[in-house]
Order: sequence, then C-alpha cells, then structure tokens
Amino acid sequence: NAGVTQTPKFQVLKTGQSMTLQCAQDMNHNSMYWYRQDPGMGLRLIYYSASEGTTDKGEVPNGYNVSRLNKREFSLRLESAAPSQTSVYFCASRWGQGYTDTQYFGPGTRLTVL
Amino acid sequence: AQSVTQLGSHVSVSEGALVLLRCNYSSSVPPYLFWYVQYPNQGLQLLLKYTSAATLVKGINGFEAEFKKSETSFHLTKPSAHMSDAAEYFCAVRMNYGGSQGNLIFGKGTKLSVKP
Repeated sequence: NAGVTQTPKFQVLKTGQSMTLQCAQDMNHNSMYWYRQDPGMGLRLIYYSASEGTTDKGEVPNGYNVSRLNKREFSLRLESAAPSQTSVYFCASRWGQGYTDTQYFGPGTRLTVL
Repeated sequence: AQSVTQLGSHVSVSEGALVLLRCNYSSSVPPYLFWYVQYPNQGLQLLLKYTSAATLVKGINGFEAEFKKSETSFHLTKPSAHMSDAAEYFCAVRMNYGGSQGNLIFGKGTKLSVKP
C-alpha cells in the first residue's frame, strides 16, 4: 500500500497562475480532506469530501475548488494563485468509526506563489 | 464549539529528560482526541488517540497521554527524550456533530527541540 500520495512535492507559481494539486489514496477510505499548514497556525481545513460525489467547505475555502474524481482521488485547484496561498498543503483520508477513527496524511505539497 | 489549545509553541528539553507537551480541549460532548507528530519536511503521523476507552493511552515511540476530564486536558509525555524525538507535535479533537462529524480541529502545534 502506498497510502496517501500527493503530486507535485514542490511548486512555484506566479501570481494569477492556476494549478491543480493531486491526491490519491489506495486504502478504500470514504472520506478525504485538504488542509493547509502555515507557521504558527497549525493545520486548517480547506475542503473535505465525506464520500464519493460529495464535497463541503472547511474553515478556509476561499480561493480554492475541489473535485472528488472517484473514491481514490481528491484534487485541489487554485484558479488564480495569490501570495497568501503560499503554504504547505496536505491531503488526508479517513478510515473507521468510533475507536478506529483515524486520518492518514500524505507527504505534502510545498507551494510558493511569487 | 470544539477547540484545542496547545500551551507553548516551542519546548526544549535535554536528552534523557522528561517530555511534557500540553493540550487542553473544549468540547460539549465526550471528545475523541489525537496526537500527531510531524518530522521535518514530512507529513503527519498518528502518535496515539483517545476514544473513551482507557484514560491513559500509550502510543508509538514511548509516548503516552492521559485524558483528564476534570482538567479538560490531554497532555503528551515521554519519560526520557531522545534526539530523534525532535519534531512538531499537534493535538487534535474530532468533531462529533452535524455534517462535519469526523473532521479534526488541530491545535497550533508545539515544536520540540532536544539538546544533547
């Protein structure tokens, strides 16, 4: 099992450019998440997908869109990148309920917007 | 509303010393609580979790945490720090209501430094 994979690992954009961050999981999990991590801010939820075919806004959705392409894949799109979107982006998937409930994280994408 | 507060953005200990990282939570329902560790330039890895079973939870790498309802705390401890424990640690609470049930709310993180 590869777990949660993310591409690319690093990206530099100019203001106004667009890009899509890719995430895939091979654990057959229903729920998937996109977070951003900024120094001193912890992780903040951008969007999540509780199941295939559904997506919902998290704490900081402005400037982003998502697509749950199928059960495995959940992509994050920046339509017009801004310097404030410079961050590390993590994808996660979730398995279980009750005492088995756990989120598993990908290695992250480090994005710089100039 | 549920929330998590981690006291101390940076903690420094000597190798072999006790590690204590503090986490307090706010929740109107019995919480599920998690500690994650992030090594430099890596993703987050689950250390341990509390899901209303035993109040003392043992995790990987010798870490443990105790759930104290009266103090609304879930502090992370390790009796003897090792250089390899240097990382950032995040406490999180699972949301237990509504459409966002299952989502995690993270604290701002505590960076642990270990001095030789």
